[in-house]
Amino acid sequence: GAGVSQSPSNKVTEKGKDVELRCDPISGHTALYWYRQSLGQGLEFLIYFQGNSAPDKSGLPSDRFSAERTGGSVSTLTIQRTQQEDSAVYLCASSLPWLGEDGYTFGSGTRLTVV
Amino acid sequence: AQRVTQPEKLLSVFKGAPVELKCNYSYSGSPELFWYVQYSRQRLQLLLRHISRESIKGFTADLNKGETSFHLKKPFAQEEDSAMYYCALSEYGNKLVFGAGTILRVKS
Repeated sequence: GAGVSQSPSNKVTEKGKDVELRCDPISGHTALYWYRQSLGQGLEFLIYFQGNSAPDKSGLPSDRFSAERTGGSVSTLTIQRTQQEDSAVYLCASSLPWLGEDGYTFGSGTRLTVV
Repeated sequence: AQRVTQPEKLLSVFKGAPVELKCNYSYSGSPELFWYVQYSRQRLQLLLRHISRESIKGFTADLNKGETSFHLKKPFAQEEDSAMYYCALSEYGNKLVFGAGTILRVKS
């Protein structure tokens, strides 16, 4: 596709339920990133995939959060047993193996609301 | 640990006034710094990066290693500059560490 695609764009879920957020990166971008955007917290790094290397999971806030990237393309971020503090906009970005002229290309995000 | 600090949550200026969005960083190596911008109802996008030394939409940013700063400047603000601005620092590989962001509001 022409850009980074994220789905769903909005998700309302009940506390305690599991959610899956999807990211479809730009074709040819081997690097994929997940960030969480919330008021006052800025952009919080969650996880980074680069090609076939082991992902950098250092930003995942708890073991309720996990992500995978199948076939080096689509990625899914899963949050288990959601809590109200998980409410935020979850942004996905992709890039070439190096940060070239264009840096990251971001998706439009998934707004998650836990009620 | 790398850190990016944007001390102002909100900066409000009048149209035509100069703008300076502050960014300070802490990093032990040779930093690579970026400014990203998010306009209302649009995606976050790259505004400029320090190694390109370009002026984008009238904005410039100079890396000051002595003061560990990368402030974003524009001599004359325009209403269409109103947006959220994030400063970011590149760690090893491609990973970016972002600041908390500054909302710029340009009043007419």
